[in-house]
Amino acid sequence: DTAVSQTPKYLVTQMGNDKSIKCEQNLGHDTMYWYKQDSKKFLKIMFSYNNKELIINETVPNRFSPKSPDKAHLNLHINSLELGDSAVYFCASSHHDRNTEAFFGQGTRLTVV
Amino acid sequence: DQQVKQNSPSLSVQEGRISILNCDYTNSMFDYFLWYKKYPAEGPTFLISISSIKDKNEDGRFTVFLNKSAKHLSLHIVPSQPGDSAVYFCAAGESGSARQLTFGSGTQLTVLP
Repeated sequence: DTAVSQTPKYLVTQMGNDKSIKCEQNLGHDTMYWYKQDSKKFLKIMFSYNNKELIINETVPNRFSPKSPDKAHLNLHINSLELGDSAVYFCASSHHDRNTEAFFGQGTRLTVV
Repeated sequence: DQQVKQNSPSLSVQEGRISILNCDYTNSMFDYFLWYKKYPAEGPTFLISISSIKDKNEDGRFTVFLNKSAKHLSLHIVPSQPGDSAVYFCAAGESGSARQLTFGSGTQLTVLP
């Protein structure tokens, strides 16, 4: 059973389009995250979300928005895609109140053409 | 502003020898540290962690050392095996509501048979 799963694994789309990446976790975690790995291979936090608060990295454009229909899902919506949005996006989850590791999905490689 | 730095982008070691991966951080509020391992086209997987109240944590072939005064941690793998070849990310977190991890840029470890 996959603990954190993301779909799709690959996404190629044109500039200006709106797209979504889905994420689901079956670990019973109460906090989920989106990370972006850019061309320099840095993994940077975009959002962290639990049922109490959404924390947004101030560098993330407002074209990006997380949507959480329930505790097990955190989807990433991207509007008006730009070439610079091309990257690998990772979803992750963890427990809110413990210093434990975050579990990651396999990543979604987004290519904007 | 990189709060977590891995200054060696790559490291090659012979099978059976020790691999030492290094990581430096600047934020004194970080109080737990993790190492993740990443294979191509997969998400990062948790390897080992250490809390700031300890200076060493060991799990099988993997040992993490923390030097708080120097703001430095290292991961030792001994003996190194070809299957250990992967990108290793150092990450740091701060106890609190966000539980966000700040990652280094990764070190590509190659274990030569």
